[in-house]
Amino acid sequence: DAKTTQPNSMESNEEEPVHLPCNHSTISGTDYIHWYRQLPSQGPEYVIHGLTSNVNNRMASLAIAEDRKSSTLILHRATLRDAAVYYCILRDVRSGDDKIIFGKGTRLHILP
Amino acid sequence: GAGVSQSPSNKVTEKGKDVELRCDPISGHTALYWYRQSLGQGLEFLIYFQGNSAPDKSGLPSDRFSAERTGGSVSTLTIQRTQQEDSAVYLCASNRQSLRYGYTFGSGTRLTVV
Repeated sequence: DAKTTQPNSMESNEEEPVHLPCNHSTISGTDYIHWYRQLPSQGPEYVIHGLTSNVNNRMASLAIAEDRKSSTLILHRATLRDAAVYYCILRDVRSGDDKIIFGKGTRLHILP
Repeated sequence: GAGVSQSPSNKVTEKGKDVELRCDPISGHTALYWYRQSLGQGLEFLIYFQGNSAPDKSGLPSDRFSAERTGGSVSTLTIQRTQQEDSAVYLCASNRQSLRYGYTFGSGTRLTVV
């Protein structure tokens, strides 16, 4: 997996939007950007992924920079249940080696 | 099944004993992964099965660790002669082997070696 860089931790107030950044300056044209999160005492869960265009689903939105060297996971209205570690990962569509190597991620704290 | 099922959910074993951890992936998912997570640490990749291909064992920490996947479905992770440093949560995930989908993780097995 190509390298991604995320802040170690972030804080946000409940019911406000949260923007979680991820830098991936060495991304290749065939790398998909995937986001996972891990809630306390649970296994990771898939959040969203994209290639070039911005994506929306019921959990979040993914904004991808035009040069694809960075992306932002957007939680539109944070709740206490969104407190988790968020992982930004690149997965190469060409690679037959499809294992995810998780980095340290961003620990998101939600303040009531 | 609806999700990835792991058993047991908790396992306490004495140092030196062997343990087996089981993972039932989602039906039809051809890829299966094992990870472990020590307390307060990140996710460590252990092994990856894809269909009938030889598994990627590059993450196994020692030869005390082995895994098999029978019939392309259920997988068993075996740890022989357990050590205290093996204490961790062992997580299994499965995937349709397509970048259009994400991994689905089980709830894990918490292993405590005493």
